[in-house]
Amino acid sequence: NAGVMQNPRHLVRRRGQEARLRCSPMKGHSHVYWYRQLPEEGLKFMVYLQKENIIDESGMPKERFSAEFPKEGPSILRIQQVVRGDSAAYFCASSPRTESIQYFGAGTRLSVL
Amino acid sequence: KNEVEQSPQNLTAQEGEFITINCSYSVGISALHWLQQHPGGGIVSLFMLSSGKKKHGRLIATINIQEKHSSLHITASHPRDSAVYICAVQFRNYQLIWGAGTKLIIKP
Repeated sequence: NAGVMQNPRHLVRRRGQEARLRCSPMKGHSHVYWYRQLPEEGLKFMVYLQKENIIDESGMPKERFSAEFPKEGPSILRIQQVVRGDSAAYFCASSPRTESIQYFGAGTRLSVL
Repeated sequence: KNEVEQSPQNLTAQEGEFITINCSYSVGISALHWLQQHPGGGIVSLFMLSSGKKKHGRLIATINIQEKHSSLHITASHPRDSAVYICAVQFRNYQLIWGAGTKLIIKP
């Protein structure tokens, strides 16, 4: 039973480009959470999704960031027109239910040049 | 004031020592998590607690809901335990508020 899979592990983008981060939850998990870890800071909640629905996006920047979790395929975190301040580690977690332990992926490290 | 406070921020100990990392929080929670982040950056969930005590191998986690305090203990510490240990509290059923982490170094 594979764990939470995130790809790519490392992503380099130039300012103004788009970044697409993918997260495949553990088998049987329909709840996905995205967190961001800025350099030298703790993790911060971004968004919580269930299949085809955004439940809570209170931690997402209002502009340029979007997330989806389609019926088929991985969850995608999309950052348009990236800026240097978007450089961070982005972690995805999944769980089978709301009130259960969250299992984390290895993260995607985004570097914006 | 941070809602989740961890102490110490950094901890260096010799192999074999008993390790304690503390976490205090100020909000009402539904659960508390302890996680481990290795230098490579990956995060591993260690425990999820809502009351009492849990044990897994050499790791023990306790929580006192009334005092809003949790501790993570490592017995017979080993250099491979070196990592950042993070406390996160769960409220609104799913949202995690993260502590700043405790950087643990175990010297051989």
